[in-house]
Amino acid sequence: DAGVTQSPTHLIKTRGQQVTLRCSPKSGHDTVSWYQQALGQGPHFIFQYYEEEERQRGNFPDRFSGHQFPNYSSELNVNALLLGDSALYLCASSLGRFGGLGYTFGSGTRLTVV
Amino acid sequence: DQQVKQNSPSLSVQEGRISILNCDYTNSMFDYFLWYKKYPAEGPTFLISISSIKDKNEDGRFTVFLNKSAKHLSLHIVPSQPGDSAVYFCAASVTGNQFYFGTGTSLTVIP
Repeated sequence: DAGVTQSPTHLIKTRGQQVTLRCSPKSGHDTVSWYQQALGQGPHFIFQYYEEEERQRGNFPDRFSGHQFPNYSSELNVNALLLGDSALYLCASSLGRFGGLGYTFGSGTRLTVV
Repeated sequence: DQQVKQNSPSLSVQEGRISILNCDYTNSMFDYFLWYKKYPAEGPTFLISISSIKDKNEDGRFTVFLNKSAKHLSLHIVPSQPGDSAVYFCAASVTGNQFYFGTGTSLTVIP
């Protein structure tokens, strides 16, 4: 039973570029949340997708956008990359919007902006 | 604004002894709390949870205590094992909303 799968695992981008990160939720899960974890920090909530719509959003600029597909997989897009966007991006899936207890995290995508 | 704080970035404990990890929060509306464990190059994995209607929850070697008046949460690991060495995050939410994480405590259990 596969858990949460994120791709790619590592990525290096240049300032100003755009990036797309991908997440496949755990089998049976329908909700995807994205978190950003900067070095030495805890994860910070970016947004949550349920039924292909953004349901909640954290304190992140509009440069961060996402999408959820009918198969529940999700993408996180970041435009106009800044050096400060360098972080580990974690995807977490759950069953239902309020499934915090059942959150399963992926291993993350390490994004480095140079 | 850091609504969840873990003031000890690291902790070292002898194998077999008790590990106590602490967490403080500022938002009195938080009603659900979690502890996660994270190994290097892996995502966080759920460890134990507690809701605000309880003051203690136990699961094997892991016990979480909640002191609502002090807005304080702690995780006890007894006995500590070398495999427990990891970074531990506490997280809190108002049910149905996003989780706020602390900055983590790196636990080292010395054999």
